[in-house]
Amino acid sequence: AQSVTQPDIHITVSEGASLELRCNYSYGATPYLFWYVQSPGQGLQLLLKYFSGDTLVQGIKGFEAEFKRSQSSFNLRKPSVHWSDAAEYFCAVGAGFNKFYFGSGTKLNVKP
Amino acid sequence: GAGVSQSPSNKVTEKGKDVELRCDPISGHTALYWYRQSLGQGLEFLIYFQGNSAPDKSGLPSDRFSAERTGGSVSTLTIQRTQQEDSAVYLCASSTTSGGSYNEQFFGPGTRLTVL
Repeated sequence: AQSVTQPDIHITVSEGASLELRCNYSYGATPYLFWYVQSPGQGLQLLLKYFSGDTLVQGIKGFEAEFKRSQSSFNLRKPSVHWSDAAEYFCAVGAGFNKFYFGSGTKLNVKP
Repeated sequence: GAGVSQSPSNKVTEKGKDVELRCDPISGHTALYWYRQSLGQGLEFLIYFQGNSAPDKSGLPSDRFSAERTGGSVSTLTIQRTQQEDSAVYLCASSTTSGGSYNEQFFGPGTRLTVL
């Protein structure tokens, strides 16, 4: 069955530090992978997506993610976190016809 | 243009009452999704509309939940005889269509439902 696991419920990093949010998926075929960000009181906004090709994808707001098939992972990274990055981040897999499976989210707190 | 809008933004109701949640998708988007986001949980797929095709209702948790989409635009999610476990944020998303799972979804701000 398709599933997405985000093992970290909460992460706290200092402003300016690097960030990596973990995402593991379970899907039998080539996945379509997404990262979304949800700021307080806002809807989800797409950060980046992977469909095929280069396994390192660049997104908005300075985020990037790397698809590793051997590890079934699609971790999100940012070299230097800004206070405005504090939000909840969701990994998702597009699995077949019109179905998307989301992880349970990782809440990012940024210390000044 | 305008994004996806949802109303009301907050809804407090008593157990056993019916509620209706509304979603206005982005103009021209033929695909529309409803999700439920419970506290500490990811997004749970509820229902999907694609043009004039029969909706995919496979995510609806019980027959108390139903949804319709009128004229291929506005959608209403109805929960009958609400229960406390229905308390959650209900998110709507729309996308352009080609029938695949690779179309970016644009999300509304959600409706926070609280069942007392």
